[in-house]
Amino acid sequence: GENVEQHPSTLSVQEGDSAVIKCTYSDSASNYFPWYKQELGKRPQLIIDIRSNVGEKKDQRIAVTLNKTAKHFSLHITETQPEDSAVYFCAASWDNAGNMLTFGGGTRLMVKP
Amino acid sequence: GAVVSQHPSRVICKSGTSVKIECRSLDFQATTMFWYRQFPKQSLMLMATSNEGSKATYEQGVEKDKFLINHASLTLSTLTVTSAHPEDSSFYICSARVAGRFDEQYFGPGTRLTVT
Repeated sequence: GENVEQHPSTLSVQEGDSAVIKCTYSDSASNYFPWYKQELGKRPQLIIDIRSNVGEKKDQRIAVTLNKTAKHFSLHITETQPEDSAVYFCAASWDNAGNMLTFGGGTRLMVKP
Repeated sequence: GAVVSQHPSRVICKSGTSVKIECRSLDFQATTMFWYRQFPKQSLMLMATSNEGSKATYEQGVEKDKFLINHASLTLSTLTVTSAHPEDSSFYICSARVAGRFDEQYFGPGTRLTVT
């Protein structure tokens, strides 16, 4: 099955700096890679996703890059703000009847004002 | 759109009793729902995939007789934790996939189960 690894597990940045979170996956059949933000005690919220037919996607301060050859994808947050502090999860899945997501271990991002 | 609700949000039960958690898609039809378990400071672990009208598919290591899943309609899936024990205490989250859209999943707010 799919295995997703995520690094770093914790990340502390100063407000205004950029944050980068990296994930690798094992199953070359995976073709959908979402990123979720989870605040304490709350549900994961989809913040951005990318499909395997593109290499990069951007939405305001958030961008995701995908390298299918190397089987890794990254989340980039620019101009970080304190409200960006949360746990971020990457995930991978592939088109099948189930489309189940395999999650990375999570990254706790702390943005210091 | 794509709102998923869960009930209850918190439940405390005694060891040996059963607890039912409901997951509803409020404004869309969900042919597939997923049940996850999340321990403190850990990632989401998929427990089972629930398809409307058919038996759930359980992940390796998840006891199907202990975690009963029923997906009776396109908007409702239930997870029943039978004969709960303290080690079943966890945050249980469901998600739903929009019918016809194979990628996106929308998560419910989660249910925190505490077994005393």
